[in-house]
Amino acid sequence: SQQGEEDPQALSIQEGENATMNCSYKTSINNLQWYRQNSGRGLVHLILIRSNEREKHSGRLRVTLDTSKKSSSLLITASRAADTASYFCATGDQTGANNLFFGTGTRLTVIP
Amino acid sequence: GAGVSQSPSNKVTEKGKDVELRCDPISGHTALYWYRQSLGQGLEFLIYFQGNSAPDKSGLPSDRFSAERTGGSVSTLTIQRTQQEDSAVYLCASSLAPVGGSLYNEQFFGPGTRLTVL
Repeated sequence: SQQGEEDPQALSIQEGENATMNCSYKTSINNLQWYRQNSGRGLVHLILIRSNEREKHSGRLRVTLDTSKKSSSLLITASRAADTASYFCATGDQTGANNLFFGTGTRLTVIP
Repeated sequence: GAGVSQSPSNKVTEKGKDVELRCDPISGHTALYWYRQSLGQGLEFLIYFQGNSAPDKSGLPSDRFSAERTGGSVSTLTIQRTQQEDSAVYLCASSLAPVGGSLYNEQFFGPGTRLTVL
């Protein structure tokens, strides 16, 4: 399967702490994206990192990519209760496939 | 502008019945995707439409599943003779252009349709 895999499956932290989620994938990729999902409904795009990039920032989000290890991490700094959601990584591979391949997600709970 | 909309938001049906799920993509988006998400799981790709090209149906789990996209805009996902294992949230997404290969655009997701087959 080309699907990514997030680690941990669930994470619970106190408000103000940093949250780190990891994603591993299997194939060569063109880009890797992180999405957020609230309450099991629609996903919201957070950030994209291309295969020739190693790190990217957006507000309180920091994403790293290590193509040699086929892994990525998402760091949320100074977490807030509103960050409570499921986070998914998704990969666009180099085979020309038109869809994104989503991981199984990390359920983040930020305790106020 | 409006985002991706889906209807109905919830659908409860009896085993063996047919259901139709609708997706209205963002105006101007040429690519449209259907995904399925079972409880607590990741997204499973079902089908992809791009402009007037033949759809990529490689993710459809069985011949009971079909989808159409009329006029390059609205799409309908049809599940015939529903089974209990079809119960899931069905998500539609659209993008300006395909996300594969060297051309990238993010996908914009609708709120999903929660299908429950009794």
